[in-house]
Amino acid sequence: SQTIHQWPATLVQPVGSPLSLECTVEGTSNPNLYWYRQAAGRGLQLLFYSVGIGQISSEVPQNLSASRPQDRQFILSSKKLLLSDSGFYLCAWSQSGKTQYFGPGTRLLVL
Amino acid sequence: GENVEQHPSTLSVQEGDSAVIKCTYSDSASNYFPWYKQELGKRPQLIIDIRSNVGEKKDQRIAVTLNKTAKHFSLHITETQPEDSAVYFCAASISGNQFYFGTGTSLTVIP
Repeated sequence: SQTIHQWPATLVQPVGSPLSLECTVEGTSNPNLYWYRQAAGRGLQLLFYSVGIGQISSEVPQNLSASRPQDRQFILSSKKLLLSDSGFYLCAWSQSGKTQYFGPGTRLLVL
Repeated sequence: GENVEQHPSTLSVQEGDSAVIKCTYSDSASNYFPWYKQELGKRPQLIIDIRSNVGEKKDQRIAVTLNKTAKHFSLHITETQPEDSAVYFCAASISGNQFYFGTGTSLTVIP
């Protein structure tokens, strides 16, 4: 069966520091991969999605970037965090035409 | 692009009553409509989905209806229980590649 992992689970970072969040999927190949951000009590904001290695689509221009160095690995990065980057970051995967499944999430607090 | 609207944003019902959450979408090409339940601090979990070739789908106390002509779909929960309390998200997708989410409904079931 398929499994999606995210780490770290929680992270506290100072403003201006870099960020790297990792997501990996097991048990499937060539998945579509997604990064979402959820502010406290809010909806899901799509940040990036990828249909293959090295193929990244950005939905919201900001100080975040994403990379997909391997088929089942998706990384979310920032060179300098802002206070507004705080939130719950969710990675998700799907196979074309099928359901999207979410990872356990990373809770990021920027101070 | 697709635009999904969800109503109401908050909903309180007495235990045992029914709850209905409604969503509308804008892109007639959307053909897959999942519903997710998100408990506090957890990841969204798929609870039911429907494809555009079907008008209604049921799974025990949960049902989803789809009106393609009017471009709206609804989640129905019957005989609500306290453990149904959560935030519910609808989504629309074109062939399961990109997913567009509603803004969420916070459901509270009062014992």
